[in-house]
Amino acid sequence: DAGVIQSPRHEVTEMGQEVTLRCKPISGHNSLFWYRQTMMRGLELLIYFNNNVPIDDSGMPEDRFSAKMPNASFSTLKIQPSEPRDSAVYFCASSPQGNSYNEQFFGPGTRLTVL
Amino acid sequence: EDKVVQSPLSLVVHEGDTVTLNCSYEVTNFRSLLWYKQEKKAPTFLFMLTSSGIEKKSGRLSSILDKKELFSILNITATQTGDSAIYLCAVNYGGATNKLIFGTGTLLAVQP
Repeated sequence: DAGVIQSPRHEVTEMGQEVTLRCKPISGHNSLFWYRQTMMRGLELLIYFNNNVPIDDSGMPEDRFSAKMPNASFSTLKIQPSEPRDSAVYFCASSPQGNSYNEQFFGPGTRLTVL
Repeated sequence: EDKVVQSPLSLVVHEGDTVTLNCSYEVTNFRSLLWYKQEKKAPTFLFMLTSSGIEKKSGRLSSILDKKELFSILNITATQTGDSAIYLCAVNYGGATNKLIFGTGTLLAVQP
C-alpha cells in the first residue's frame, strides 16, 4: 500500500495567488482529514469528510479556504487568495472507518510558503 | 472548550536516560487517546488507549491512560538519538466520528 499521497510536497507562491493542494487517501478508507501545522498553533484540524461528504468544516479559517472530495480517492484543499499567514505544513490523513476510533494515517504533507 | 495539553513543551536528555511525557485533556464524549511520533515528516502512530490502567508497550516505549484524572503518560526508557522527535498526543471525541484534537506536542532531543 502506498499510503496517503499528497502533492505537491513543496509550494512557494506569492500573496494573492490561488493554491491547490491534493490528496489521495489510502484505498478503502472512509474518512479523510485536512490538517494545518504551524509552530505557533500546532496541528489543527481544518475539515474532515466521511464517505466523501464534508462532516465538519468548523476549523476552516475563513472563506478563502475551501475543500472538496469528488470521489473516494481524491480530495483538494484550495486557498484563494493566499496570504503570507497561510504559510504552514498541510497534512492530509485518512482513516478506515468513520464511526470508530481507529488511528489516522498521515500523508507526507505539503509545505506551503506564501511570500 | 475541548483541549489537550502536553508537558513539557520541550526536553533535552542524554542517551540512556528515561523520559516521561505528559498529556492531559478536557473533552466531551471521550473515545480514545492516541500518541504519535513526528520526526521531519508526517506523524506516525505509536499507541491508542481506550481503557484506564492498561499499559500499552512497544519495545522501550510504553503508555498508560487514567480516565478518572484525564491524563496519559508516555514513557521512553534507555533513550537513543533516534528517539529525538516531537511527540503528539491526540484525543478522539465528539460522538460517532473519528475527529481528533491534538496537543501542541513535546519536542524531545536526545543527545549522544
